[in-house]
Amino acid sequence: DAKTTQPPSMDCAEGRAANLPCNHSTISGNEYVYWYRQIHSQGPQYIIHGLKNNETNEMASLIITEDRKSSTLILPHATLRDTAVYYCIVLYNFNKFYFGSGTKLNVKP
Amino acid sequence: AAGVIQSPRHLIKEKRETATLKCYPIPRHDTVYWYQQGPGQDPQFLISFYEKMQSDKGSIPDRFSAQQFSDYHSELNMSSLELGDSALYFCASTKRGDNEQFFGPGTRLTVL
Repeated sequence: DAKTTQPPSMDCAEGRAANLPCNHSTISGNEYVYWYRQIHSQGPQYIIHGLKNNETNEMASLIITEDRKSSTLILPHATLRDTAVYYCIVLYNFNKFYFGSGTKLNVKP
Repeated sequence: AAGVIQSPRHLIKEKRETATLKCYPIPRHDTVYWYQQGPGQDPQFLISFYEKMQSDKGSIPDRFSAQQFSDYHSELNMSSLELGDSALYFCASTKRGDNEQFFGPGTRLTVL
């Protein structure tokens, strides 16, 4: 499974968009990019995933670069409840997740 | 909607004791994963099962064993517990062919 690199922490003002970057330069053509978040020792929660097209759901948008070596998770209007550790994971064929260090997002009032 | 159920939610054991953690996947899910998350650490994959057979193995100590039963629930058995086994243990389930793993709330194991 490809490794991912994320900044250890980021701050975001409440109501503003949070843009969380992830580098996955060794990703291969059939590996998906998944984003999960973990709020204070709860079970990780699925956010979104994609292969090569940009994706959007009710929680977030996922922007994947054309060469697929990086991606950005966008939370359009961050709230205090979005404070969590966000994990970018590259996954092939329903294999186990290798969690990296993730990004601790601090949403501030 | 039904979620992944883990029991117990909290468990306190002494060193050298044994512990059994249980995971009940979402109905119709055929794959179960176990993860360990130590204090201040990221979740680490331990082991997975598909259709009651072990499908993959991560950094699981030899003192630990696991299995998946005919009703698809899974149990993680931990023997000769050590202080370093204190952690959150998450179970996740999925149905092969679907795209996301659903995580349970975790079992917090404390070894004294």
